[in-house]
Amino acid sequence: GNSVTQMEGPVTLSEEAFLTINCTYTATGYPSLFWYVQYPGEGLQLLLKATKADDKGSNKGFEATYRKETTSFHLEKGSVQVSDSAVYFCALGRFQGAQKLVFGQGTRLTINP
Amino acid sequence: DTGVSQNPRHKITKRGQNVTFRCDPISEHNRLYWYRQTLGQGPEFLTYFQNEAQLEKSRLLSDRFSAERPKGSFSTLEIQRTEQGDSAMYLCASSANRGAQETQYFGPGTRLLVL
Repeated sequence: GNSVTQMEGPVTLSEEAFLTINCTYTATGYPSLFWYVQYPGEGLQLLLKATKADDKGSNKGFEATYRKETTSFHLEKGSVQVSDSAVYFCALGRFQGAQKLVFGQGTRLTINP
Repeated sequence: DTGVSQNPRHKITKRGQNVTFRCDPISEHNRLYWYRQTLGQGPEFLTYFQNEAQLEKSRLLSDRFSAERPKGSFSTLEIQRTEQGDSAMYLCASSANRGAQETQYFGPGTRLLVL
């Protein structure tokens, strides 16, 4: 079945550091890929998504590229801020039809000033 | 657009009791999803509705769980005879049917603790 494997956390970085959170997936067909973020005390928010191979999703300085050959969707940011501290979830969904999302276990990110 | 709301936000109950949660989706969103999230894990899909029809249920959804969306608007998730293993965050999400462009918007969740 479909599954998502995320880099284990927690991850602690200093402000302005470069961030990578690894995500790999197993899926049949051509899934859509997502990164969701959960800030303390808040619900899940969509951060970015990509719906086909080689697409790059981007938002708020974060980027992720859909790599079909390596079945990966790694999240990157060039310079993190304290406000980026949150839990990040990689997820996959069906290309069409209802998006029954399959999530990774989440990576807790803490940015120190 | 007021977002997805869920009530209650927290629920503490004793083992064996029944509980019911409510989700109000973004208006005019025809799809509504329920997920469960346990501590340190990502959310797991439970079930979804398109309008009032429940179209898919996960094997995680035992016969003690029932969900409804009677008029295609709000939804309820009921757990009968709760067990300690039911303790989790229950998340609701809604979306408009837009194929590959569909985006799910999540509510804040209902945290259930079964004593």
